[in-house]
Amino acid sequence: DVKVTQSSRYLVKRTGEKVFLECVQDMDHENMFWYRQDPGLGLRLIYFSYDVKMKEKGDIPEGYSVSREKKERFSLILESASTNQTSMYLCASSLLPQGHYEQYFGPGTRLTVT
Amino acid sequence: SQQGEEDPQALSIQEGENATMNCSYKTSINNLQWYRQNSGRGLVHLILIRSNEREKHSGRLRVTLDTSKKSSSLLITASRAADTASYFCATASFGNTGFQKLVFGTGTRLLVSP
Repeated sequence: DVKVTQSSRYLVKRTGEKVFLECVQDMDHENMFWYRQDPGLGLRLIYFSYDVKMKEKGDIPEGYSVSREKKERFSLILESASTNQTSMYLCASSLLPQGHYEQYFGPGTRLTVT
Repeated sequence: SQQGEEDPQALSIQEGENATMNCSYKTSINNLQWYRQNSGRGLVHLILIRSNEREKHSGRLRVTLDTSKKSSSLLITASRAADTASYFCATASFGNTGFQKLVFGTGTRLLVSP
């Protein structure tokens, strides 16, 4: 079975802290994504990666960076957390960047920045 | 953004009844996907329909796509309490890079009462 795991289900951080959200997939997928989900706004794409060390900005990359050193792992970094980054963060992967493929999601990390 | 918009925002029915959710979008797409999200969890892929397809079935799910109207519908027949969840449509376009990018709508919250 396809599996995407995220390092934490719940996380509480203080304003200004550096925050790392980790995502691991065990399906040898090329493509990985980070979304944030907010009430009334749906899912919005922050960054995606189509290969190791490759990344592309999504719709809302400001305040975030990413790292993909290994194919199975995609990290989202909040360099200096702010209260407006309080949200649910969802990681996903798909088999290839091109073509008609579904995405497989992790369980999500609910981040609160105080 | 070609964000999909689901209608209705919320739907409450009894077990055994059918549930219909609609999705409208703004620009041309390569495929459209439906996902389910149980409360506080990640999304689970339900079904993918390509732009050259008009209807697709999977178990109790039926999806239609009308590219001329830029709309899709998801029908869940003989609903069960376990179908209680939020349902999202996601439109896929390949863009200049050829990479598939999904844009999610804001979702329909379905409540199925026993």
